[in-house]
Amino acid sequence: RKEVEQDPGPFNVPEGATVAFNCTYSNSASQSFFWYRQDCRKEPKLLMSVYSSGNEDGRFTAQLNRASQYISLLIRDSKLSDSATYLCVVSVYSGAGSYQLTFGKGTKLSVIP
Amino acid sequence: EAGVTQFPSHSVIEKGQTVTLRCDPISGHDNLYWYRRVMGKEIKFLLHFVKESKQDESGMPNNRFLAERTGGTYSTLKVQPAELEDSGVYFCASSQRWTALTYNEQFFGPGTRLTVL
Repeated sequence: RKEVEQDPGPFNVPEGATVAFNCTYSNSASQSFFWYRQDCRKEPKLLMSVYSSGNEDGRFTAQLNRASQYISLLIRDSKLSDSATYLCVVSVYSGAGSYQLTFGKGTKLSVIP
Repeated sequence: EAGVTQFPSHSVIEKGQTVTLRCDPISGHDNLYWYRRVMGKEIKFLLHFVKESKQDESGMPNNRFLAERTGGTYSTLKVQPAELEDSGVYFCASSQRWTALTYNEQFFGPGTRLTVL
């Protein structure tokens, strides 16, 4: 079983649509949770951290369910500029001050005019 | 402020050759990480430096890989001798000094695309 599993995608949605990404993680010791965005042939960039209470940043809403080890990302009113690969990432403390980021394979989103 | 930089952006070498990748972290960032993405797979952790010390190298695939961070500034990752399965994108990331209470965002460089023929 992979440590972080995401919807395989790709997701092709029209502009203005709402799209949801799901992710599960296997390591119950995971401490921090994130969604990263990666544009084609670019580096990953932090989109938002994810908290149990749920958090929102404009059109983006992230949710964490620790009991079921499930993370979600909702994008409302999709824009063409949202087209990218969305990476579900968890952080595990590996000791002596070191955090390892564990990545999912990513879900590719294409927003179509 | 300059971000994380990596050199070269691309490298094409033959099996058995040696390649050295370089990463310059954001100025003042004590933490430096190396990650790798092999085609079709997820990004995977390789190792973590705090200043010049290797804090965690549990992700290094084998002893053909050697990472250094002399003086706690830039880091190099040498692959010697390179094998076909080493092809992929090597990312470097840096973050500020770790504290017990907070996770510090890791900022990624643009990556080095390594192709071993």
